[in-house]
Amino acid sequence: KAGVTQTPRYLIKTRGQQVTLSCSPISGHRSVSWYQQTPGQGLQFLFEYFSETQRNKGNFPGRFSGRQFSNSRSEMNVSTLELGDSALYLCASSGTGDLYEQYFGPGTRLTVT
Amino acid sequence: GESVGLHLPTLSVQEGDNSIINCAYSNSASDYFIWYKQESGKGPQFIIDIRSNMDKRQGQRVTVLLNKTVKHLSLQIAATQPGDSAVYFCAEKLAGGFKTIFGAGTRLFVKA
Repeated sequence: KAGVTQTPRYLIKTRGQQVTLSCSPISGHRSVSWYQQTPGQGLQFLFEYFSETQRNKGNFPGRFSGRQFSNSRSEMNVSTLELGDSALYLCASSGTGDLYEQYFGPGTRLTVT
Repeated sequence: GESVGLHLPTLSVQEGDNSIINCAYSNSASDYFIWYKQESGKGPQFIIDIRSNMDKRQGQRVTVLLNKTVKHLSLQIAATQPGDSAVYFCAEKLAGGFKTIFGAGTRLFVKA
């Protein structure tokens, strides 16, 4: 079974631009969570989607948004990029809404200049 | 507040020795705890988990201990190998919650 895939793997953007990151969960998984990882803040929860509905959201500004499609694929968008948005963005999927074991993708490394 | 912290940011052990990575959590309502391993350039990988109604769980070469009285979690790795070198994160989930709260991480170095 293929793992969680994320595209692109690396991205360089300029301050003020917007970016869209994509995540394809493991086949059959319906829950997708997004995390931001930085050296200073560690792994921080962004949001979680299940069956196209956002069920939980972390403490990030409204510039960070996401969505999930009917095939469980998910995208996250960051508008008006700031230098501090430079991070590794990780996506994780799990089998059902109640199962806790998450499988992570390799992440998208975003650099904002 | 919601926070999960680690006592030691870096741990260095000799190959073949046992490793112990510690973690403190603050939310007594958490009912599920997980340890993840993250190697360079990869996403976190599930190692072992434990529910709050247990105090010990064993896997292959790994053991997780949970002390709810002092809100402490530990990961024990037996016969540590060079391939165990990575950053280890503890994480917690609240009962019925859909988000995972991660600790800061501990980097484990294994000396040959």
